[in-house]
Amino acid sequence: EPEVTQTPSHQVTQMGQEVILRCVPISNHLYFYWYRQILGQKVEFLVSFYNNEISEKSEIFDDQFSVERPDGSNFTLKIRSTKLEDSAMYFCASSPGLADYEQYFGPGTRLTVT
Amino acid sequence: AQSVAQPEDQVNVAEGNPLTVKCTYSVSGNPYLFWYVQYPNRGLQFLLKYITGDNLVKGSYGFEAEFNKSQTSFHLKKPSALVSDSALYFCAVRDLSGAGSYQLTFGKGTKLSVIP
Repeated sequence: EPEVTQTPSHQVTQMGQEVILRCVPISNHLYFYWYRQILGQKVEFLVSFYNNEISEKSEIFDDQFSVERPDGSNFTLKIRSTKLEDSAMYFCASSPGLADYEQYFGPGTRLTVT
Repeated sequence: AQSVAQPEDQVNVAEGNPLTVKCTYSVSGNPYLFWYVQYPNRGLQFLLKYITGDNLVKGSYGFEAEFNKSQTSFHLKKPSALVSDSALYFCAVRDLSGAGSYQLTFGKGTKLSVIP
């Protein structure tokens, strides 16, 4: 069964550094998403991406964040200058369509900012 | 704005007994409702969804959920719990009627422990 994959599983970085989190969505899916879960808190929506552009973003997704689909298979989340409060589990998800479709989640990348 | 409430942080049930994990929601339009399960060190796995139609929906691993529009609830149920059902369960909602239509809004999760 096809799965969403994410790399790395754990990333440790220093405050102020740039990080890129990578995701490979399911191959025939058209919509892509990033969510994050700070330890002990809810899973929160960051951004959705369709047809090579951002379709929706939350207040969390400020100018420090960007997303890209560089090669037709990967989907990346870049944090330009990490802060301590960016420490969280980041989940990538994809779906084949929008209206009736569930989103399929990857295993997550745990980002630790020191 | 859409929101989801899972009123119980933890539910304990004996193996073989029926289980219920509660969820209530708030949306401005028609809700699309989902249940996901998270096992330790794993991502969120889709269990079932309600889009339209029959209020009782069946999903993976013997789980089902009942949509109740008047009570704005979508409780997850299983007739006979297994120890392997022990995990973190998340209810989520989407509202296609306006802003926020792409995103899932999650509850805070309910930890289910099935006791042998």
